[in-house]
Amino acid sequence: DAKTTQPPSMDCAEGRAANLPCNHSTISGNEYVYWYRQIHSQGPQYIIHGLKNNETNEMASLIITEDRKSSTLILPHATLRDTAVYYCIVIPRDNQGGKLIFGQGTELSVKP
Amino acid sequence: NAGVTQTPKFRVLKTGQSMTLLCAQDMNHEYMYWYRQDPGMGLRLIHYSVGEGTTAKGEVPDGYNVSRLKKQNFLLGLESAAPSQTSVYFCASSYLSGGAIDTQYFGPGTRLTVL
Repeated sequence: DAKTTQPPSMDCAEGRAANLPCNHSTISGNEYVYWYRQIHSQGPQYIIHGLKNNETNEMASLIITEDRKSSTLILPHATLRDTAVYYCIVIPRDNQGGKLIFGQGTELSVKP
Repeated sequence: NAGVTQTPKFRVLKTGQSMTLLCAQDMNHEYMYWYRQDPGMGLRLIHYSVGEGTTAKGEVPDGYNVSRLKKQNFLLGLESAAPSQTSVYFCASSYLSGGAIDTQYFGPGTRLTVL
């Protein structure tokens, strides 16, 4: 079972920041938070991951609360090409086989 | 550098027929995975491999077999296709270093319909 809870859908205006929340209240100390996205009809794409510190890369920022029970993925200037399903996944540091357990994700619609 | 490629892109089978899906990666990754995605659902892991010559079961392995004879290839076989196996199949690969988790790179998918 997925260990995360995400809203099923969100809208965002083009050019504005998209803030996608994820609840992972049962996360343990050795588990990472990963974000992937899946643009329609394509394979999933890695976005970012973190353990307890906030992270930023060229695609997005990841804000993890101090108690680590929730996080927010931020796309700073959403474009129409960011329309996709976004998956928040919790993975243990010693994940045998590197398996990903996908939940339902959040369907983000970026509108003009 | 093509990344992860999948063959074929589309296929229609009749119930009871067999087929093999091919996944190839040119990134020298150790780990490879097969997932299926049903309409409106997230991906579910079928089988995975942690190296050449090794395979293991995922969440939904029944009705499928896999082989990893070469490091760069991971084959998914359906011996007797059933309509319940109609789905989009994704292959992925990852490179693990020092026991740490690394990101997975996905192929474009194979759309399979079983009539």
